Amino acid sequence: DIVMTQSPASLAVSLGERATIRCKSSQSVLYSSNNKNYLAWYQHKPGQPPKLLIYWASTRESGVPDRFSGSGSGTDFTLTISSLQTEDVAVYYCQHYFGTFAFGPGTKVDVK
Amino acid sequence: QITLKESGPTLVNPTQTLTLTCTFSGFSLSTYGGGGVGWIRQPPGKALEWLALIYWDDDRTYIPSLKSRLTITKDTSKNQVVLTMTNLDPADTATYFCAHRMSEVGAFDSWGQGTLVTVAS
Repeated sequence: DIVMTQSPASLAVSLGERATIRCKSSQSVLYSSNNKNYLAWYQHKPGQPPKLLIYWASTRESGVPDRFSGSGSGTDFTLTISSLQTEDVAVYYCQHYFGTFAFGPGTKVDVK
Repeated sequence: QITLKESGPTLVNPTQTLTLTCTFSGFSLSTYGGGGVGWIRQPPGKALEWLALIYWDDDRTYIPSLKSRLTITKDTSKNQVVLTMTNLDPADTATYFCAHRMSEVGAFDSWGQGTLVTVAS
């Protein structure tokens, strides 16, 4: 089974500043035949369902603000919020979908 | 527009079986374009945990640690996916979500609002 880890567990960033979340998989989620990383990022706010932000590690879902970006390949990935807004306060999860599925433990993002 | 809605009991006794239904619209699970429907849960104060997924071609996959207790099925005529979990324990108390997996995206692009299931006597 592929296990996902995230760091940090929580972070507080000033409004307008950059927030960076890291995700690591215990095995590579890069499928060599199509050169795609089977890695997604979700935003989860209390009382709401999770919202897909990024898939294939770096493709932004339709309607997601461009301040959200994903990068990385193989086993190491990053979600960056370039300029934190109040509406970005949430828990962020990475998830692999390489054969089966698994979520990371989540990173709570707050305003400093 | 894709929509999904979970339904089922809110309170279940320990050792009993839980049956949850996901009723969806906006896609068909009988063709390739339908992708798949999965179940994910979140215990109070804890992280998301993927449980099971059924594909349009009836292929199924389960989280290994709970595989012996889970069954996922689909009824394409009713646009429903059903998850059955046996031998419930208070640790299974959680909000249960169903979600659509689009083949081209790979990830869960649309989610239901979730339903809270409490396991207690």
